[in-house]
Amino acid sequence: GIQVEQSPPDLILQEGANSTLRCNFSDSVNNLQWFHQNPWGQLINLFYIPSGTKQNGRLSATTVATERYSLLYISSSQTTDSGVYFCAVGTSGNTPLVFGKGTRLSVIA
Amino acid sequence: NAGVMQNPRHLVRRRGQEARLRCSPMKGHSHVYWYRQLPEEGLKFMVYLQKENIIDESGMPKERFSAEFPKEGPSILRIQQVVRGDSAAYFCASSRPGLDEQFFGPGTRLTVL
Repeated sequence: GIQVEQSPPDLILQEGANSTLRCNFSDSVNNLQWFHQNPWGQLINLFYIPSGTKQNGRLSATTVATERYSLLYISSSQTTDSGVYFCAVGTSGNTPLVFGKGTRLSVIA
Repeated sequence: NAGVMQNPRHLVRRRGQEARLRCSPMKGHSHVYWYRQLPEEGLKFMVYLQKENIIDESGMPKERFSAEFPKEGPSILRIQQVVRGDSAAYFCASSRPGLDEQFFGPGTRLTVL
């Protein structure tokens, strides 16, 4: 099956810093989603982005489907950005998602 | 527009008991997916259902686990004779037909004593 690798596994940032999280996948995808799992365990949808670029406030994401990777940018990080960021992909319509192992982000004041 | 709802949010069971986890998808969503997250790990797919049909159960253990999504009412994930290794967070997600984006519920945290 498809493999999803996220990097880095852990990241510590000073408040106000910027960061880039990467997701590599091993096959063509129809679905790519980024999630934030907050310290309370809830999964928050950040982006649905099988291709192209999207922005939402301080967050933006880019997926280059032909090169099989996606990037999540966090600018001017805040302590509330702490948690685990997951990338998940699906290979055809309405199929189950395959998750990466996540990037654990800690933003310190 | 309410999101995906799961209950209970926390469930404690003793070894050998049964656990029933419920999931109500978002309005207009007829596709339901169950995922399991073990401590300090990512989410792993278990089962994909549409109304009254199991579409893909390739991620579900063959024994003790079952799932249903009846014509009326929520989807149910049932774990019989729970063991300590079943302790995990169980997430439900839903999507619309023909649209890939999945939306997740808050999860049920199962603890087996």
